[in-house]
Amino acid sequence: EIVLTQSPGTLSLSPGERATLSCRASQTINTRFLGWFQQRPGQAPRLLIYGTSNRTTGIPDRFRGSGSGTDFTLTITRLEPEDFAVYYCQQYGNSPWTFGQGTKVEVK
Amino acid sequence: EVQLVESGGGLVQPGRSLRLSCRTSGFKFGDYAMTWYRQAPGKGLEWVGFIRAKTYGATTEYGPSVSGRFAISGDYSRGVAYLQMNNLQIDDTAMYYCTLVHGIYWGQGTLVTVSS
Repeated sequence: EIVLTQSPGTLSLSPGERATLSCRASQTINTRFLGWFQQRPGQAPRLLIYGTSNRTTGIPDRFRGSGSGTDFTLTITRLEPEDFAVYYCQQYGNSPWTFGQGTKVEVK
Repeated sequence: EVQLVESGGGLVQPGRSLRLSCRTSGFKFGDYAMTWYRQAPGKGLEWVGFIRAKTYGATTEYGPSVSGRFAISGDYSRGVAYLQMNNLQIDDTAMYYCTLVHGIYWGQGTLVTVSS
């Protein structure tokens, strides 16, 4: 099983600041099968990024995914009020599919 | 517009069974894989399993914590995906979500509570 470790656990930032979220895998992941989800309180998750760097339809370009091998990053270039949420990385190339434990982006 | 609507959750005793439904619209059901995820209260996301598109034989795969107890199927005439859950345990308590492919679209979820 591929273990995904996200850091930091919590990121305290102000609107307008840049957020950098890390996802490290226990073994190499095919970049085609790495995604990022956002979950706001009381809502279902939604897919932001698939295939490491491709934004899902309707996702603003301030969300940027990058990485390769075992190290992947989600960058939110300028935080908007609606971006304060929990973010999960996921690998869906090897069974069992696995998620990181999540990074909470909170208002400083 | 793609819509996914789960139903069938509720309170169930340990060892009992429950079947969740996911009614779909806005796409051709059999042409896409469907994936189920769950989220225990206050916890992170967990992959439950998926059913491949009908073109790929509608075969299934499951996560290790549910393999052998849960089964995913589809009614292609009605566009409904099912999650049959047997021998439910306390740790199966969670919000269950159905999704299109690996999570492109999500339903609102249905809550399953396993308790005596």
